Amino acid sequence: QVQLQESGPGIVKPLETLSLTCSVSGYSINTGYYWGWIRQSPGKGLEWIGSMYHSGKTYDNPSLRSRVTVSVHTSMQKFFLNVTSVTAADTAVYFCARGVLGPTSTLVFDYWGQGILVTVSA
Amino acid sequence: EIVMTQSSVTLSVSPGERATLSCRASQSVTTNLAWYQQKRGQAPRLLVYGASTRAAGIPGRFSGSGSETEFTLTISSLQSEDYAVYYCQQYNAWPPSFGQGTRVEIK
Repeated sequence: QVQLQESGPGIVKPLETLSLTCSVSGYSINTGYYWGWIRQSPGKGLEWIGSMYHSGKTYDNPSLRSRVTVSVHTSMQKFFLNVTSVTAADTAVYFCARGVLGPTSTLVFDYWGQGILVTVSA
Repeated sequence: EIVMTQSSVTLSVSPGERATLSCRASQSVTTNLAWYQQKRGQAPRLLVYGASTRAAGIPGRFSGSGSETEFTLTISSLQSEDYAVYYCQQYNAWPPSFGQGTRVEIK
């Protein structure tokens, strides 16, 4: 059974960097699929942030692109999210998720972590 | 970005009754449309992809239909565990995008 679990600080100060880790079990990251992040806030609902293949191929949301980095460490079975220069608008529940890329489509998400609430506050 | 609109914010349905949820895309997404169920405090769970294919382990009372810009998720006979929020998501174009959700509540 594929399982994902987010970890990281629950509070980040404004203008600092938000850093989260997703630990994966039950499936080898370097076998396939895309590994990425989705966030959920009352104001913006569910918003896809970015996803990465184990080879390094990355897709990210243009609305966040300049501030977001998704990376993968295959041997550790972990992947990561960094969001720089955060503001209150980045306060959300952050989910890590496995993405399936189709031949004529983008990503659908079949396994999700439980989510972690990150609050941006001084 | 393709905007996904779910016409009902809340749907009140009695147990055992049918629930019909709608989702509209701002442009054609062919059949690259998924539905998710989210219960309070949990992650979304994939129910349907390809507009009409149930994900593994999803009961047969859930069915999806539609193409291009108009989609429907039907729950044929609501069970207590089905009261939740449901989201549609298009994955035809970048970035993948979600609707704002429809809450199915007990009538």
